[in-house]
Amino acid sequence: QKEVEQNSGPLSVPEGAIASLNCTYSDRVSQSFFWYRQYSGKSPELIMSIYSNGDKEDGRFTAQLNKASQYVSLLIRDSQPSDSATYLCAAFLGNTGFQKLVFGTGTRLLVSP
Amino acid sequence: EAQVTQNPRYLITVTGKKLTVTCSQNMNHEYMSWYRQDPGLGLRQIYYSMNVEVTDKGDVPEGYKVSRKEKRNFPLILESPSPNQTSLYFCASSLSTPASGTSGRASYEQYFGPGTRLTVT
Repeated sequence: QKEVEQNSGPLSVPEGAIASLNCTYSDRVSQSFFWYRQYSGKSPELIMSIYSNGDKEDGRFTAQLNKASQYVSLLIRDSQPSDSATYLCAAFLGNTGFQKLVFGTGTRLLVSP
Repeated sequence: EAQVTQNPRYLITVTGKKLTVTCSQNMNHEYMSWYRQDPGLGLRQIYYSMNVEVTDKGDVPEGYKVSRKEKRNFPLILESPSPNQTSLYFCASSLSTPASGTSGRASYEQYFGPGTRLTVT
């Protein structure tokens, strides 16, 4: 199992809907998780970080961490076409002393007008 | 403005011609890292640095060198580039990592530079 896994998508949602992006992780990663948004050809942009079990909300974005099931989710409410991008999940790798940040391969989100 | 800068942004070179991609951050971050991104393979770490004069290999270090002589700069050196090093390269930095023991988890957040698109022919 990879340390951080994501479905590559694309995930297609209509404008105004809730987009739900998921990421599962192995025992080898830390309990610090990050969601990045990346537009094609651009650099990853940090959207949310989550460290504790439960939900964390920031504007239209909600990150959810479930340690028992080893998954972390990103919900985007009122999705906009400008949200169309690839979303990357990341966590620190435990067997490196938590020095290395590992990324999933990303889920592509398409929001149609 | 707090930022991570990289230069050059685009580079086309030939096999074997040594090159350096610079990375600089103005946030007094201790941790810096280089990644390459290839289609279908995602972001892979090349090298990272926990602080000045402290560097270590990532997942794909072959063919690359780094140095960290100053806190703000972390150049990536390709001494003899080959076509398989054609890629999109990103530098990133954060105040610390869980390994450093620094309190305050917000300090673990990594910020990326704009990227360098390298083509080796």
